Amino acid sequence: ENVLTQSPGTLSLSPGERVTLSCRTSQRVSNYLAWYQQKPGQAPRLLIYGASSRATGIPDRFGGSGSGTDFTLTISRLEPEDFAVYYCQQYGTSPYTFGQGTKLEIK
Amino acid sequence: QVQLQESGPGLMKPSGTLSLTCAVSGESISIPNLWGWVRQSPGKGLEWIGEIYHSGYSTYNPSLKSRVTILVDKAKNQFSLKLISVTAADTAVYYCVSRQSGYWNYWGQGILVTVSS
Repeated sequence: ENVLTQSPGTLSLSPGERVTLSCRTSQRVSNYLAWYQQKPGQAPRLLIYGASSRATGIPDRFGGSGSGTDFTLTISRLEPEDFAVYYCQQYGTSPYTFGQGTKLEIK
Repeated sequence: QVQLQESGPGLMKPSGTLSLTCAVSGESISIPNLWGWVRQSPGKGLEWIGEIYHSGYSTYNPSLKSRVTILVDKAKNQFSLKLISVTAADTAVYYCVSRQSGYWNYWGQGILVTVSS
Protein backbone atom coordinates (compact mmCIF):
# COMPACT_ATOMS: atom_id res chain seq x y z
CA GLU A 1 0.00 0.00 0.00
CA ASN A 2 1.22 3.46 -0.89
CA VAL A 3 1.51 5.49 2.31
CA LEU A 4 1.07 9.27 2.03
CA THR A 5 2.71 11.49 4.63
CA GLN A 6 1.61 15.10 4.90
CA SER A 7 3.48 17.83 6.69
CA PRO A 8 3.09 19.74 8.80
CA GLY A 9 0.15 18.40 10.79
CA THR A 10 -1.11 21.85 11.73
CA LEU A 11 -0.26 25.35 10.55
CA SER A 12 -1.29 28.58 12.26
CA LEU A 13 -1.34 31.45 9.80
CA SER A 14 -2.99 34.79 9.14
CA PRO A 15 -5.15 35.80 6.19
CA GLY A 16 -3.06 37.18 3.37
CA GLU A 17 -0.10 34.89 4.03
CA ARG A 18 1.32 32.39 1.56
CA VAL A 19 1.40 28.73 2.54
CA THR A 20 2.93 25.55 1.16
CA LEU A 21 1.72 22.12 2.22
CA SER A 22 3.72 18.97 1.60
CA CYS A 23 2.71 15.43 0.63
CA ARG A 24 5.18 12.60 0.22
CA THR A 25 4.26 9.17 -1.14
CA SER A 26 6.07 5.96 -0.21
CA GLN A 27 5.88 4.75 -3.83
CA ARG A 28 6.09 6.73 -7.04
CA VAL A 29 2.71 7.81 -8.43
CA SER A 30 3.79 9.82 -11.50
CA ASN A 31 1.37 12.74 -11.37
CA TYR A 32 -1.63 10.77 -10.16
CA LEU A 33 -2.13 12.93 -7.11
CA ALA A 34 -5.09 15.00 -5.97
CA TRP A 35 -5.64 17.54 -3.22
CA TYR A 36 -8.90 18.01 -1.34
CA GLN A 37 -10.14 20.64 1.08
CA GLN A 38 -12.47 19.68 3.92
CA LYS A 39 -14.39 21.98 6.24
CA PRO A 40 -16.17 20.80 9.40
CA GLY A 41 -19.32 18.84 8.67
CA GLN A 42 -18.68 18.79 4.93
CA ALA A 43 -17.41 16.28 2.42
CA PRO A 44 -13.94 16.75 0.96
CA ARG A 45 -13.89 19.05 -2.05
CA LEU A 46 -11.57 18.42 -4.99
CA LEU A 47 -9.06 21.22 -5.48
CA ILE A 48 -6.26 19.82 -7.61
CA TYR A 49 -5.89 16.72 -9.78
CA GLY A 50 -3.03 15.46 -11.89
CA ALA A 51 -0.75 17.08 -9.29
CA SER A 52 -1.16 20.54 -10.80
CA SER A 53 -4.53 20.97 -12.56
CA ARG A 54 -7.17 23.00 -10.77
CA ALA A 55 -10.63 21.52 -10.55
CA THR A 56 -13.60 23.41 -11.92
CA GLY A 57 -14.36 26.58 -9.97
CA ILE A 58 -11.18 26.53 -7.86
CA PRO A 59 -9.57 29.98 -7.51
CA ASP A 60 -6.15 30.47 -9.05
CA ARG A 61 -4.60 31.22 -5.65
CA PHE A 62 -4.49 27.42 -5.28
CA GLY A 63 -1.61 25.75 -7.06
CA GLY A 64 -0.17 22.25 -7.07
CA SER A 65 3.20 20.92 -8.14
CA GLY A 66 5.42 17.87 -7.98
CA SER A 67 5.75 14.42 -9.47
CA GLY A 68 7.07 11.04 -8.46
CA THR A 69 6.96 11.03 -4.68
CA ASP A 70 7.05 14.69 -3.58
CA PHE A 71 4.17 17.08 -4.02
CA THR A 72 3.13 20.48 -2.76
CA LEU A 73 -0.03 22.51 -2.54
CA THR A 74 0.48 26.26 -2.43
CA ILE A 75 -2.08 28.88 -1.50
CA SER A 76 -0.66 32.17 -2.65
CA ARG A 77 -2.70 34.44 -0.40
CA LEU A 78 -4.89 32.97 2.32
CA GLU A 79 -8.51 34.02 2.41
CA PRO A 80 -10.64 33.49 5.55
CA GLU A 81 -12.55 30.68 3.83
CA ASP A 82 -9.30 28.75 3.19
CA PHE A 83 -8.86 27.72 6.82
CA ALA A 84 -9.71 24.04 6.70
CA VAL A 85 -8.09 20.61 6.53
CA TYR A 86 -6.26 19.61 3.34
CA TYR A 87 -5.73 16.05 2.19
CA CYS A 88 -3.64 14.60 -0.59
CA GLN A 89 -4.69 11.39 -2.31
CA GLN A 90 -2.91 9.11 -4.78
CA TYR A 91 -4.83 7.39 -7.53
CA GLY A 92 -1.91 5.78 -9.28
CA THR A 93 -2.33 2.33 -7.78
CA SER A 94 -5.03 0.53 -5.88
CA PRO A 95 -5.75 0.66 -3.01
CA TYR A 96 -6.14 4.40 -3.43
CA THR A 97 -4.85 6.12 -0.32
CA PHE A 98 -5.02 9.46 1.42
CA GLY A 99 -2.64 11.43 3.58
CA GLN A 100 -3.56 12.12 7.19
CA GLY A 101 -4.26 15.77 6.50
CA THR A 102 -2.85 19.21 7.28
CA LYS A 103 -5.00 21.56 9.29
CA LEU A 104 -4.77 25.28 8.52
CA GLU A 105 -5.92 27.35 11.44
CA ILE A 106 -6.21 31.07 11.91
CA LYS A 107 -3.42 32.59 13.96
CA GLN B 1 -23.82 17.34 -12.93
CA VAL B 2 -23.81 14.21 -10.78
CA GLN B 3 -25.37 14.47 -7.33
CA LEU B 4 -25.08 11.77 -4.69
CA GLN B 5 -27.10 11.16 -1.54
CA GLU B 6 -26.40 8.48 1.05
CA SER B 7 -29.08 6.79 3.12
CA GLY B 8 -29.17 4.06 5.72
CA PRO B 9 -29.20 3.40 9.44
CA GLY B 10 -27.11 5.63 11.65
CA LEU B 11 -26.73 3.17 14.49
CA MET B 12 -26.10 -0.53 14.47
CA LYS B 13 -24.92 -3.30 16.73
CA PRO B 14 -21.63 -5.17 16.56
CA SER B 15 -21.56 -8.27 14.33
CA GLY B 16 -24.40 -6.89 12.20
CA THR B 17 -24.40 -5.99 8.50
CA LEU B 18 -24.07 -2.36 7.48
CA SER B 19 -26.20 -1.53 4.44
CA LEU B 20 -26.04 1.87 2.77
CA THR B 21 -27.53 3.17 -0.45
CA CYS B 22 -26.38 6.02 -2.64
CA ALA B 23 -29.01 7.66 -4.83
CA VAL B 24 -27.62 9.16 -8.03
CA SER B 25 -29.30 12.18 -9.61
CA GLY B 26 -28.41 14.44 -12.48
CA GLU B 27 -27.06 11.57 -14.57
CA SER B 28 -27.75 7.96 -15.34
CA ILE B 29 -25.74 5.44 -13.36
CA SER B 30 -25.01 3.79 -16.69
CA ILE B 31 -22.60 6.55 -17.76
CA PRO B 32 -18.95 5.41 -17.81
CA ASN B 33 -18.20 6.51 -14.25
CA LEU B 34 -16.93 4.55 -11.31
CA TRP B 35 -19.24 4.56 -8.30
CA GLY B 36 -17.72 3.94 -4.90
CA TRP B 37 -17.45 4.44 -1.17
CA VAL B 38 -14.95 6.21 1.07
CA ARG B 39 -15.16 6.36 4.84
CA GLN B 40 -13.67 8.68 7.41
CA SER B 41 -13.01 7.89 11.02
CA PRO B 42 -10.97 9.72 13.64
CA GLY B 43 -8.64 6.75 14.01
CA LYS B 44 -7.95 5.88 10.38
CA GLY B 45 -8.66 9.09 8.51
CA LEU B 46 -9.98 8.78 4.96
CA GLU B 47 -10.14 5.23 3.65
CA TRP B 48 -11.17 4.02 0.20
CA ILE B 49 -13.55 1.08 0.53
CA GLY B 50 -14.17 0.09 -3.07
CA GLU B 51 -15.96 0.93 -6.29
CA ILE B 52 -17.96 -0.47 -9.16
CA TYR B 53 -18.49 0.17 -12.83
CA HIS B 54 -22.00 0.39 -14.23
CA SER B 55 -21.25 -2.98 -15.83
CA GLY B 56 -20.96 -4.52 -12.40
CA TYR B 57 -17.19 -4.97 -12.29
CA SER B 58 -16.01 -4.07 -8.80
CA THR B 59 -12.75 -3.60 -6.92
CA TYR B 60 -12.22 -3.40 -3.19
CA ASN B 61 -9.61 -2.33 -0.68
CA PRO B 62 -7.78 -5.53 0.33
CA SER B 63 -8.13 -4.52 3.98
CA LEU B 64 -11.93 -4.82 3.69
CA LYS B 65 -12.39 -7.11 0.71
CA SER B 66 -13.54 -10.15 2.69
CA ARG B 67 -16.41 -8.16 4.23
CA VAL B 68 -17.53 -5.75 1.49
CA THR B 69 -19.93 -5.91 -1.44
CA ILE B 70 -20.83 -2.99 -3.71
CA LEU B 71 -23.72 -3.39 -6.14
CA VAL B 72 -25.41 -1.26 -8.79
CA ASP B 73 -29.19 -1.03 -9.23
CA LYS B 74 -29.74 0.49 -12.65
CA ALA B 75 -33.53 0.46 -12.32
CA LYS B 76 -33.37 2.70 -9.27
CA ASN B 77 -30.30 4.68 -10.44
CA GLN B 78 -28.47 3.90 -7.24
CA PHE B 79 -25.68 1.80 -5.83
CA SER B 80 -25.17 0.18 -2.47
CA LEU B 81 -22.62 -0.87 0.11
CA LYS B 82 -22.81 -3.94 2.34
CA LEU B 83 -20.27 -4.50 5.08
CA ILE B 84 -20.65 -7.62 7.18
CA SER B 85 -19.49 -8.45 10.71
CA VAL B 86 -19.12 -4.83 11.78
CA THR B 87 -17.26 -3.78 14.90
CA ALA B 88 -16.70 -0.47 16.65
CA ALA B 89 -13.75 0.06 14.29
CA ASP B 90 -16.26 0.45 11.44
CA THR B 91 -17.77 3.53 13.07
CA ALA B 92 -17.22 6.32 10.56
CA VAL B 93 -18.76 8.82 8.21
CA TYR B 94 -19.44 6.98 4.97
CA TYR B 95 -19.32 8.93 1.71
CA CYS B 96 -20.48 7.74 -1.67
CA VAL B 97 -18.25 9.04 -4.43
CA SER B 98 -17.98 9.02 -8.19
CA ARG B 99 -15.18 9.54 -10.67
CA GLN B 100 -14.65 9.54 -14.39
CA SER B 101 -10.89 9.21 -14.16
CA GLY B 102 -8.59 8.88 -11.19
CA TYR B 103 -9.82 11.50 -8.78
CA TRP B 104 -13.19 11.84 -7.09
CA ASN B 105 -14.93 14.98 -8.19
CA TYR B 106 -18.35 13.98 -6.88
CA TRP B 107 -19.06 13.30 -3.21
CA GLY B 108 -22.23 12.75 -1.23
CA GLN B 109 -22.72 14.74 1.96
CA GLY B 110 -21.82 11.71 4.08
CA ILE B 111 -23.69 9.62 6.62
CA LEU B 112 -22.45 8.86 10.13
CA VAL B 113 -22.70 5.20 11.07
CA THR B 114 -22.07 4.29 14.69
CA VAL B 115 -21.49 0.70 15.73
CA SER B 116 -22.31 0.24 19.38
CA SER B 117 -24.02 -2.26 21.62
